[in-house]
Amino acid sequence: NAGVTQTPKFQVLKTGQSMTLQCAQDMNHEYMSWYRQDPGMGLRLIHYSVGAGITDQGEVPNGYNVSRSTTEDFPLRLLSAAPSQTSVYFCARSYFQGGGGAFFGQGTRLTVV
Amino acid sequence: SQQGEEDPQALSIQEGENATMNCSYKTSINNLQWYRQNSGRGLVHLILIRSNEREKHSGRLRVTLDTSKKSSSLLITASRAADTASYFCASQYYNTDKLIFGTGTRLQVFP
Repeated sequence: NAGVTQTPKFQVLKTGQSMTLQCAQDMNHEYMSWYRQDPGMGLRLIHYSVGAGITDQGEVPNGYNVSRSTTEDFPLRLLSAAPSQTSVYFCARSYFQGGGGAFFGQGTRLTVV
Repeated sequence: SQQGEEDPQALSIQEGENATMNCSYKTSINNLQWYRQNSGRGLVHLILIRSNEREKHSGRLRVTLDTSKKSSSLLITASRAADTASYFCASQYYNTDKLIFGTGTRLQVFP
């Protein structure tokens, strides 16, 4: 899992429920991000963080909150789940210096009914 | 949408042939990266090319970058069945840390 642990792997929610997707890294990288992947859409950036206490919005932030209280953890909160949020969610840590890239977790498959 | 585009959307070739995928992006970048995703799995970083580089090689991979056209290409030489996967480009926006992905190319390599 390239040092990125996502939990849970699968989740079914009812419309209107809230939940938190967990993401933890063990490499002390400053940059972390959340993406969603829908068929035919590739990955779209939801939120990202360049360090503890610093977060910013990506392409599709509506309906999601994030916080970064430690370097290791970057949870994604769904405030009131909607069927349009059915997707596969990927968390990543990144280290771009020296030609590096993003390292992804195995994903959380979320279904909202 | 900030998302880049890739073409073709899908590509089918025989083992031993070369596979070329193209990527276009929308703004000034620090670097451009390519990733591979096997079905249902997370993405794996393949190669990064900086905005001041024009070509880069890694094993059977060759990446080019044309910043004037805001485009990049990935060439996989002598393809193998194990190269079957989806391939995505990702652009790191200039002066930010955003990494924006393209829509991907699905590559099928037949034995």
